[in-house]
Amino acid sequence: EDQVTQSPEALRLQEGESSSLNCSYTVSGLRGLFWYRQDPGKGPEFLFTLYSAGEEKEKERLKATLTKKESFLHITAPKPEDSATYLCAVRASGGYQKVTFGTGTKLQVIP
Amino acid sequence: DTEVTQTPKHLVMGMTNKKSLKCEQHMGHRAMYWYKQKAKKPPELMFVYSYEKLSINESVPSRFSPECPNSSLLNLHLHALQPEDSALYLCASSQVGGRTDTQYFGPGTRLTVL
Repeated sequence: EDQVTQSPEALRLQEGESSSLNCSYTVSGLRGLFWYRQDPGKGPEFLFTLYSAGEEKEKERLKATLTKKESFLHITAPKPEDSATYLCAVRASGGYQKVTFGTGTKLQVIP
Repeated sequence: DTEVTQTPKHLVMGMTNKKSLKCEQHMGHRAMYWYKQKAKKPPELMFVYSYEKLSINESVPSRFSPECPNSSLLNLHLHALQPEDSALYLCASSQVGGRTDTQYFGPGTRLTVL
């Protein structure tokens, strides 16, 4: 059974204080790993898709990396508007469009 | 354009009511999804349509009835719901197969069952 574990559950940062969120996964053949941002009461907003170990993608203050066992979402010099819940999800080969979500990391950035 | 739209934004219904949620995408995606999300939990898959045919039903109670009239539209018909069905209902769409099967989500419908 595919499993995704995100840590920490919650993270509080001062504005400008860089940090990383972790997503550990167990899957029978990774087809894709996805990062989403979700604001309260809204749908998840797509951030990145990673397909193979060693791959990295960046967008503004966010950078996602992937190894064979985990992914990191690095946040550089965060701003209060980066406050949200960050969700990680994986799709297995042969998973037929089903993805497995982690429980998310709730990030709060304090001015 | 990576937009998925959902209507209504909010819905309050009694346990005897019949209502429908609607979802639309114009990205040419051929897979569409319904998810249910409770507070502080990740989205939970309900149904998947692939090429307008139901391909996955995650043992959802029959009071939820999905419909995919065409490749751009997805409906979720609701009947005789229970208060525990109150949640954020999310629609998503994606390509089918290949390396571009990222799911894009709509803003959700906040459902309250009285």
